[in-house]
Amino acid sequence: AQSVTQLGSHVSVSEGALVLLRCNYSSSVPPYLFWYVQYPNQGLQLLLKYTSAATLVKGINGFEAEFKKSETSFHLTKPSAHMSDAAEYFCAVSPRNYQLIWGAGTKLIIKP
Amino acid sequence: DADVTQTPRNRITKTGKRIMLECSQTKGHDRMYWYRQDPGLGLRLIYYSFDVKDINKGEISDGYSVSRQAQAKFSLSLESAIPNQTALYFCATSDPAQGSDEWFFGPGTRLTVL
Repeated sequence: AQSVTQLGSHVSVSEGALVLLRCNYSSSVPPYLFWYVQYPNQGLQLLLKYTSAATLVKGINGFEAEFKKSETSFHLTKPSAHMSDAAEYFCAVSPRNYQLIWGAGTKLIIKP
Repeated sequence: DADVTQTPRNRITKTGKRIMLECSQTKGHDRMYWYRQDPGLGLRLIYYSFDVKDINKGEISDGYSVSRQAQAKFSLSLESAIPNQTALYFCATSDPAQGSDEWFFGPGTRLTVL
């Protein structure tokens, strides 16, 4: 069965520091992978997606993620955190059918 | 205007009441979905529909029903609401046939069952 694991329900970083949010997946077929962001009291916004093109994917707001097949990972990074990045981030995998399987989410806290 | 809209945005109701959440989309997508979000659990699929005549149960369909009135409309009903159905509900669309790999989400409906 497909699954998504996000390590850490909460991640705290200082403003200006590197952001690293971890996502590992299991899938029986080459998947599509997504990162979504949810700002407080708002809906879901697509940050970036991997659909079997370049393994390093650049998204909005300076975020990027690298697909590593050997590690079954799709970690999200940003070189320098900004206060406006405080939100909840969700990793999701689609094994190329109707399903979109979600991780439990990671809340990113930015310290001044 | 938003591509996927949901009404109402917020609803407080009492146990045993029947509730309908509505979703409309202007993207022309065939596939529509209802998810619920609970803290620490991510999003879980309730029902999905690949076209007007196709309705399928997701992983947590018990206590819910849906209606696909048209390509653009997909409603979720709680026949007799209970407190553990308190959650944030999202409607989404997708359409791989249009060459898109994305799901597009509505703004969510926050439902509280007292």
